Amino acid sequence: EPEVTQTPSHQVTQMGQEVILRCVPISNHLYFYWYRQILGQKVEFLVSFYNNEISEKSEIFDDQFSVERPDGSNFTLKIRSTKLEDSAMYFCASSDTTSGRPDTQYFGPGTRLTVL
Amino acid sequence: GESVGLHLPTLSVQEGDNSIINCAYSNSASDYFIWYKQESGKGPQFIIDIRSNMDKRQGQRVTVLLNKTVKHLSLQIAATQPGDSAVYFCAENIPYNFNKFYFGSGTKLNVKP
Repeated sequence: EPEVTQTPSHQVTQMGQEVILRCVPISNHLYFYWYRQILGQKVEFLVSFYNNEISEKSEIFDDQFSVERPDGSNFTLKIRSTKLEDSAMYFCASSDTTSGRPDTQYFGPGTRLTVL
Repeated sequence: GESVGLHLPTLSVQEGDNSIINCAYSNSASDYFIWYKQESGKGPQFIIDIRSNMDKRQGQRVTVLLNKTVKHLSLQIAATQPGDSAVYFCAENIPYNFNKFYFGSGTKLNVKP
């Protein structure tokens, strides 16, 4: 069964450093998402991406964040200058479309980001 | 500073019993809903979805009920098994904001053998 994959599974970085989290969505999906989950808290929407551009973003997704689909398979989340409060699990998800609306989102296993 | 963990409501059931997990959603315009299961250290896993033109949908051992009048969703799990132990949460989607899903805070299900 196709699945969303994410690398690395755990990233440790120093405050102020740039990190890139990588995702390979399900191959025929058209919508891509990043979410984060701070330890013990609920899943929070960061950004959605469709047709090579951001379609929605939350207030969390400020200028320090960016997303890119550099080729036909990868979808990346970059944090330019990490802060302590960026420590969280970051989940990538992808979905197909039904009548032009996003369908079920399938999540990857997540990348645990630890900022020291 | 140290983040404060969210206190999740917990439902404890005996193996073999039926479980009912509830979710109150926030926006009356939401028209698509998904139930997810999240095991410790893993990503959310799709269980079942429902669109607002339905009030009930059944899957394998799971049933989702939608009450639009009171903005309430429930997930029923039949013959609950130890492997069902996880956090369950609902997500809602709004037609005019359809690339964004809003997640609830979740319910922890403990299944006692």
